[in-house]
Amino acid sequence: SVLLYQKPNRDICQSGTSLKIQCVADSQVVSMFWYQQFQEQSLMLMATANEGSEATYESGFTKDKFPISRPNLTFSTLTVNNARPGDSSIYFCSSREISNERLFFGHGTKLSVL
Amino acid sequence: GDSVTQTEGQVALSEEDFLTIHCNYSASGYPALFWYVQYPGEGPQFLFRASRDKEKGSSRGFEATYDKGTTSFHLRKASVQESDSAVYYCALGNYNQGKLIFGQGTKLSIKP
Repeated sequence: SVLLYQKPNRDICQSGTSLKIQCVADSQVVSMFWYQQFQEQSLMLMATANEGSEATYESGFTKDKFPISRPNLTFSTLTVNNARPGDSSIYFCSSREISNERLFFGHGTKLSVL
Repeated sequence: GDSVTQTEGQVALSEEDFLTIHCNYSASGYPALFWYVQYPGEGPQFLFRASRDKEKGSSRGFEATYDKGTTSFHLRKASVQESDSAVYYCALGNYNQGKLIFGQGTKLSIKP
């Protein structure tokens, strides 16, 4: 299995500011994924991040708004730029075992934008 | 595009009741199908998966059978416990892309 640690657990920020969410894996993983979950709703894949290359974004998510870095095989950061109240949600990082398709998730970062 | 539909948004049962949560999918080819469970304040946890027709996945008393004919992967448990209260997600995965498409989720509440 893969353990993923996210920091911070929660954050409150003002509209127009930017914030970073960090994700650390306890072992090297090829791909990391970032998901967004609004309260009482399902999870939506935002982007896929592989080491040393630009993240691949899903429809509705852009690099300018949600830049992602993946400097090595155990670490990734998601930045929320120009945060708006509509960005208030829980952000999860996830990764998978090499041997199968099982995805593991961090505990999530709850973001509230005022 | 690929999608997953869970019919029930909420299910309320009593302990020892039989559980069924319906999951239907739409995808080309043979996607892998998953069930995940999410407890309050946590990320989703893998329950089990199946990747070919008629394959049964199971864990912790829950089970589901991959049915390509009806494009379904319904979750069942014979006797639920209060500790099963959580949100359950059916998901569809593409191994090459390594990402999941989640259904809307079903909130299961069990009365003691």
